Amino acid sequence: DTGVSQNPRHKITKRGQNVTFRCDPISEHNRLYWYRQTLGQGPEFLTYFQNEAQLEKSRLLSDRFSAERPKGSFSTLEIQRTEQGDSAMYLCASSLGVSPTDTQYFGPGTRLTVL
Amino acid sequence: RKEVEQDPGPFNVPEGATVAFNCTYSNSASQSFFWYRQDCRKEPKLLMSVYSSGNEDGRFTAQLNRASQYISLLIRDSKLSDSATYLCVVNKGGYSTLTFGKGTMLLVSP
Repeated sequence: DTGVSQNPRHKITKRGQNVTFRCDPISEHNRLYWYRQTLGQGPEFLTYFQNEAQLEKSRLLSDRFSAERPKGSFSTLEIQRTEQGDSAMYLCASSLGVSPTDTQYFGPGTRLTVL
Repeated sequence: RKEVEQDPGPFNVPEGATVAFNCTYSNSASQSFFWYRQDCRKEPKLLMSVYSSGNEDGRFTAQLNRASQYISLLIRDSKLSDSATYLCVVNKGGYSTLTFGKGTMLLVSP
């Protein structure tokens, strides 16, 4: 499978715990994005990377959230001290990075439930 | 005003019907526009890009009106498999990030 992959697909955690999600982009893609989607809403942008550089972060990305892409390949998104409001689908997408308007291809997402 | 607005629907249509969705966007500097399709509990997938001259892909036609800042999607001869949520997506002013509408749900019945 050469698409974007995400792990785990589902995560249930208790409030206050830390969680980490992983995203593996399409292999030749330089740009990697994180989005969050809640029920009845469209995906909302969180942050994006051009290779290993984190170029933009949304105001939605509170200081409890941190994302990394250390070698310009896979990325991790960590949420510390989870809150019930963090329950959502976390989507990763990647694109070639040649043009700002390159098509973004989404992974299947990680569904987080905070109890 | 929300950045991207869509009628959430649902739009209930019989097979074979023609259905149209509209979407408005607030940032006049937006440069590129897309329709994504999202099936229930699945990831969004690009349906088509939207160009100023309008574009067609089989049964799907997309139009862009920059002056009025709205985008449309027309689906002809609806199929049961077209049932999904259609997301209007805007690239805001040269950045790489996408702004999504809430989506319009389409239900095609036999």
